[in-house]
Amino acid sequence: EVQLVESGGGLVRPGGSRRLSCVGSGFSFSNYNMNWVRQAPGKGLEWVAYIGSGSGSIFYADSVKGRFTVSRDNAKNSLYLQMNSLRAEDTAVFYCTRQGLYCTGSTCSDALDIWGQGTMVTVSS
Amino acid sequence: SSELTQDPAVSVALGQTVRITCQGDNLRNFFASWYQQKPGQAPVLVIFDKNSRPSGLPDRFSGSSSGNTASLTITGAQAEDEADYYCSSRDSSGNEWVFGGGTKLTVL
Repeated sequence: EVQLVESGGGLVRPGGSRRLSCVGSGFSFSNYNMNWVRQAPGKGLEWVAYIGSGSGSIFYADSVKGRFTVSRDNAKNSLYLQMNSLRAEDTAVFYCTRQGLYCTGSTCSDALDIWGQGTMVTVSS
Repeated sequence: SSELTQDPAVSVALGQTVRITCQGDNLRNFFASWYQQKPGQAPVLVIFDKNSRPSGLPDRFSGSSSGNTASLTITGAQAEDEADYYCSSRDSSGNEWVFGGGTKLTVL
């Protein structure tokens, strides 16, 4: 079964740090670009970060740039999100997502085709 | 970055057809994908590559696109289709993902 399992969420004080992990199974993890997406309570989805399959390309949402660091260890089929200087507005469920590439002839597109169950991060004093 | 705009809420009678739309300039250059999210659950991909479905997804779900608008159509909506639906695509730079605000679908 193809799946992603996140861990590492919890209660963090404002200004604190937290490291989230995501383990992939049932597919060749090293072949896929990966993303983190978050969802604040009662709100919509917000893309957070992207990392290429070989860690050569990394991008962040403006809201987390300079505070969050995405990384991966393909030998461990694992994706990470190091979150520093956390704020109340970072409170959210964080999802690890696989970015699948789909090609028809010469046309390709991608989509976030596999999602983990999410891990909740609460930033509060 | 770019923005994707969705109607906040849509309703449909059981067994009828409903269309959920998503507008954004980047949809002229990138396909939209659609995600279904039920309460307390993670999102699930339902449409990608303009009109492709993951294996196992009912064929009552379909997608289309024209200009700056992408649409998700559910033909013969079922009670279990009641959920939040989000569109997404690459932003204008092609490096980031952007999501619409989501549409809450109610099946009456």
